Amino acid sequence: AQTVTQSQPEMSVQEAETVTLSCTYDTSENNYYLFWYKQPPSRQMILVIRQEAYKQQNATENRFSVNFQKAAKSFSLKISDSQLGDTAMYFCAFQEYGNKLVFGAGTILRVKS
Amino acid sequence: NAGVMQNPRHLVRRRGQEARLRCSPMKGHSHVYWYRQLPEEGLKFMVYLQKENIIDESGMPKERFSAEFPKEGPSILRIQQVVRGDSAAYFCASSRGVINQPQHFGDGTRLSIL
Repeated sequence: AQTVTQSQPEMSVQEAETVTLSCTYDTSENNYYLFWYKQPPSRQMILVIRQEAYKQQNATENRFSVNFQKAAKSFSLKISDSQLGDTAMYFCAFQEYGNKLVFGAGTILRVKS
Repeated sequence: NAGVMQNPRHLVRRRGQEARLRCSPMKGHSHVYWYRQLPEEGLKFMVYLQKENIIDESGMPKERFSAEFPKEGPSILRIQQVVRGDSAAYFCASSRGVINQPQHFGDGTRLSIL
């Protein structure tokens, strides 16, 4: 079964600085997707960024980028120029083609002013 | 373009009652997924449905829980004879199809069992 591990329960960063959240996963599949979702205190689940496993280029969405290392099964999220609104729980998730999402336990990120 | 709509946002039930949670997918989406988030935990997959079909229910408890997605109307997650351990946030997500389509989440239903 696929598993997703987020080894950092909590992280803090100063406003305007950069922070990296770690994620590793385990699968025997070759084709899959990886995601980072953000869950603010309002409890919504907001898609931050998506990576397709067959693409070597790392995905980027404005201040958010990933470091995808397929051989190491690692998928970290980098947030640049951190803002107070980035304070949230961040979940890493794995998806095989056409199937359910498997989530990690989450990392609480606190951005300090 | 409305997103995934879940209702109610909050639901309170007493032990032994039934809970019915509704999910209307985004327009054009025919695939629905239900996830459960226990306090201080990540989301756990429960069931995946297409119109009138259950595709994968590997995450559903074997008893008391059922789900449907009829031809017309929202998807329903039903929990019979609720117990305290059913207290959680239940999220619905929808997508257009299986290939290259991300899942979009609703705001969730927070179920509290007295």
